[in-house]
Amino acid sequence: SQQGEEDPQALSIQEGENATMNCSYKTSINNLQWYRQNSGRGLVHLILIRSNEREKHSGRLRVTLDTSKKSSSLLITASRAADTASYFCATDDGNKLVFGAGTILRVKS
Amino acid sequence: GAGVSQSPRYKVAKRGQDVALRCDPISGHVSLFWYQQALGQGPEFLTYFQNEAQLDKSGLPSDRFFAERPEGSVSTLKIQRTQQEDSAVYLCASSLAGQTPNYGYTFGSGTRLTVV
Repeated sequence: SQQGEEDPQALSIQEGENATMNCSYKTSINNLQWYRQNSGRGLVHLILIRSNEREKHSGRLRVTLDTSKKSSSLLITASRAADTASYFCATDDGNKLVFGAGTILRVKS
Repeated sequence: GAGVSQSPRYKVAKRGQDVALRCDPISGHVSLFWYQQALGQGPEFLTYFQNEAQLDKSGLPSDRFFAERPEGSVSTLKIQRTQQEDSAVYLCASSLAGQTPNYGYTFGSGTRLTVV
C-alpha cells in the first residue's frame, strides 16, 4: 500500500514557469523525501526534509513540510525541458520508504 | 562501483518460467531494498536487507518470490513459476544507513520483467 498521495497526477507547463507538486501522507514521519524518475530509469534522490524542518532549498528546488496537515510541497522554479519526469514523495515507515503514486510533470519548450 | 547496477535490463519470461534478477549495490552500503513498480504507479516495497540479514520481507507478494544477499553485497531476487501479474519493473536500491532511512536511497535502473 502507498502512504503518500501526490497531487496533481499530471502537470503540463511551459519552460520557464514554476511547477508545484503536493504530497499528503497518513502517519507520523521522521522525514520526507522527494525523488525524480525519468522514463524507463531508476529513481533519483532530490531532497530530504526532516520532521522538525519546515522548508528546505536545493538549487531550483524548494520543499515545504507541514506536519500538522501531514503534507509537503515540491516547487521547481524556472522549469526546463529536462525537468520532464515523474516526481514521487516518500515517507519512512520503520526501516523502509513508502512511495506515493507520483506526479507526471511535462515541461514544454 | 559508482552506482547500483541491475541485470538484466530487460527480461521476457514465459508464464511458469523461473527468473533471477541481480542487484549489485554501491560498495559499502549496508542497506539494500527491492521494490516492484507497476506501470504508472509508485514503487512498492518488497524486501529489505541489512548486510546479509533479511530483516523485512513483508512486501513479497507470494511464496513464489524469494530474495537473498548471502555475503552482504550482491543480491538476487528470484521469482518462481512467473505469472502475468508479475510483469513490472523491479528496482533495487541501496543506502549507507542502517535501520532507519534517514538518508536518500540510490536506485538502480531496474529490470523490466514481461511475462508472456
